[in-house]
Amino acid sequence: AQKITQTQPGMFVQEKEAVTLDCTYDTSDPSYGLFWYKQPSSGEMIFLIYQGSYDQQNATEGRYSLNFQKARKSANLVISASQLGDSAMYFCAMREGLGANNLFFGTGTRLTVIP
Amino acid sequence: GAGVSQSPSNKVTEKGKDVELRCDPISGHTALYWYRQSLGQGLEFLIYFQGNSAPDKSGLPSDRFSAERTGGSVSTLTIQRTQQEDSAVYLCASSWDELGYTFGSGTRLTVV
Repeated sequence: AQKITQTQPGMFVQEKEAVTLDCTYDTSDPSYGLFWYKQPSSGEMIFLIYQGSYDQQNATEGRYSLNFQKARKSANLVISASQLGDSAMYFCAMREGLGANNLFFGTGTRLTVIP
Repeated sequence: GAGVSQSPSNKVTEKGKDVELRCDPISGHTALYWYRQSLGQGLEFLIYFQGNSAPDKSGLPSDRFSAERTGGSVSTLTIQRTQQEDSAVYLCASSWDELGYTFGSGTRLTVV
């Protein structure tokens, strides 16, 4: 089974609107971490936001927030007030267990912001 | 250096030749990871080094792929007898804890 599933290959959003990018995960480890990365056309992987499995509150970082629904094993990324510079690939990733273990990535969602 | 450095940034090789890709992690980062990203796809885990422990090689796609990490620092990913399906961007990352993953800018490998 896939550890990370991103079901939206592509999404469009109007500039200044909010958009939700979906991510579901599969693990039996009670300790895990969930990450979102942005990859613009230049190719670098830019860390956006992190949610630990024991965190009680949803993570927020500026215009990014993570809608963490543990029982449903989902970790959707919400981008508010979209900007043209948000157009990029977005990847959800999971680390199982504690420590600097490897990350498992989803297949990504290509977000296009429309002026 | 301040970040994870990968070299070369681009490599074109003929089918059947061997290639070596290099990764210089951030100083002090004990964990080092290699990923492969085919065109328009997600990141596929290849191999993971953590300190002096035996590496996790579970993601290597075939025995043509190998990697080593010398002195707990620099890592080299070697692909023997390259095939066209090996064409991809190879990304390296390093970390010193469970949060601080830092990625290099990758090596774009093209097998012709």
